[in-house]
Amino acid sequence: EIVMTQSPATLSVSPGERATLSCRASQSVSSNLAWYQQKPGQAPRLLIYGASTRATGIPARFSGSGSGTEFTLTISSLQSEDFAVYYCQQYNNWPPTTFGQGTKVEIK
Amino acid sequence: QVQLQESGPGLVKPSETLSLTCAVSGYSISSGYYWGWIRQPPGKGLEWIGSIYHSGSTYYNPSLKSRVTISVDTSKNQFSLKLSSVTAADTAVYYCASEVKYYYGSGSYPAWIDYWGQGTLVTVSS
Repeated sequence: EIVMTQSPATLSVSPGERATLSCRASQSVSSNLAWYQQKPGQAPRLLIYGASTRATGIPARFSGSGSGTEFTLTISSLQSEDFAVYYCQQYNNWPPTTFGQGTKVEIK
Repeated sequence: QVQLQESGPGLVKPSETLSLTCAVSGYSISSGYYWGWIRQPPGKGLEWIGSIYHSGSTYYNPSLKSRVTISVDTSKNQFSLKLSSVTAADTAVYYCASEVKYYYGSGSYPAWIDYWGQGTLVTVSS
């Protein structure tokens, strides 16, 4: 099973600033990685798939990069609605697909 | 747009079987998605439980495989989860979801999750 490790666990950012979230895989997952956003009491929402392709309706301030074992989700200018928990998911080595433990983006 | 709605008991006794159903609307379950279950213990991360294709092919998380059964009812456009011999560790929000069919080589498998149900909290307690 591939272990996904996200860092940091919590990221404190001021509105308008840039946020950079990391996700590392225990072995290569190629570009088979997705990112999700989850707000309290809600289901996760797909942001990025294929490591860098934005899902339908996702604002351009969200961008994904990386391949192999190192991935990054960047939010270029944080808006109030972006404060949430973010998860990465690998779907390359399967089953099972596995998720990272999450990064909480909080208001600084 | 795909809409998913979980239903089932919110409280299950230890050692019993957890049963949930996911009703799919706005999309035929016999079309191009895999259909999956994911759970999230309170305050914790996401765990994939398993998936099913409309043909009946199933894929389970090895860590849960001995206790999980996922089935599909195409006539009702719904799919179901059964998890046997539950313990307190199975207390979680259970989500049903549509998983994009990803073609690889000569086959396919579920990839990223396109749509999620709202989730339903299942508590295991006597």
